[in-house]
Amino acid sequence: EAEVAQSPRYKITEKSQAVAFWCDPISGHATLYWYRQILGQGPELLVQFQDESVVDDSQLPKDRFSAERLKGVDSTLKIQPAELGDSAMYLCASSLFRGGFYGYTFGSGTRLTVV
Amino acid sequence: AQRVTQPEKLLSVFKGAPVELKCNYSYSGSPELFWYVQYSRQRLQLLLRHISRESIKGFTADLNKGETSFHLKKPFAQEEDSAMYYCALKTNTGTASKLTFGTGTRLQVTL
Repeated sequence: EAEVAQSPRYKITEKSQAVAFWCDPISGHATLYWYRQILGQGPELLVQFQDESVVDDSQLPKDRFSAERLKGVDSTLKIQPAELGDSAMYLCASSLFRGGFYGYTFGSGTRLTVV
Repeated sequence: AQRVTQPEKLLSVFKGAPVELKCNYSYSGSPELFWYVQYSRQRLQLLLRHISRESIKGFTADLNKGETSFHLKKPFAQEEDSAMYYCALKTNTGTASKLTFGTGTRLQVTL
């Protein structure tokens, strides 16, 4: 079964440092999403790509977060500088156009702890 | 703006008892609703979607537009049903689609 790959699984970083997460979506899925899930809450959309273009980054804190999907395949989410409140699970998901019939497929996530 | 509400953080039931996980939504357009499940140490995965009107692992959910609800039900709970359940609303705008999640309900099935 095809999976969305994410790395690393866990990341501990000090406040004010830079951190990056990587996601490889399911082959053929043009739409890629980054979600953030704070402990005790549901996932919240940070940014959405259609191929290499950003189609929704309204909830992305752009002063410190950036995301790219240069060739329309894999994607990187970066935080610089990290703050204590950024501690969360960062989930990547992919889908066919506009979610398709089968909805989104999620990766295992990267758990970030900022100390 | 769209919103999904799951009023219960934790639902504890005995094995064999009926289960109902509540979900209410707020959205001005035509809703498309999903239930996602996350078992311990596993990734978030799709359980069912309202447009399919399917039963997965004995679970069903009916969209009630009048009550703006999409409750998840199962007549007889099993131990393996213990997991975190998220209700999600999909909205489409132009080329983009977006899933808005509720805060989730942890289902605990005990013997």
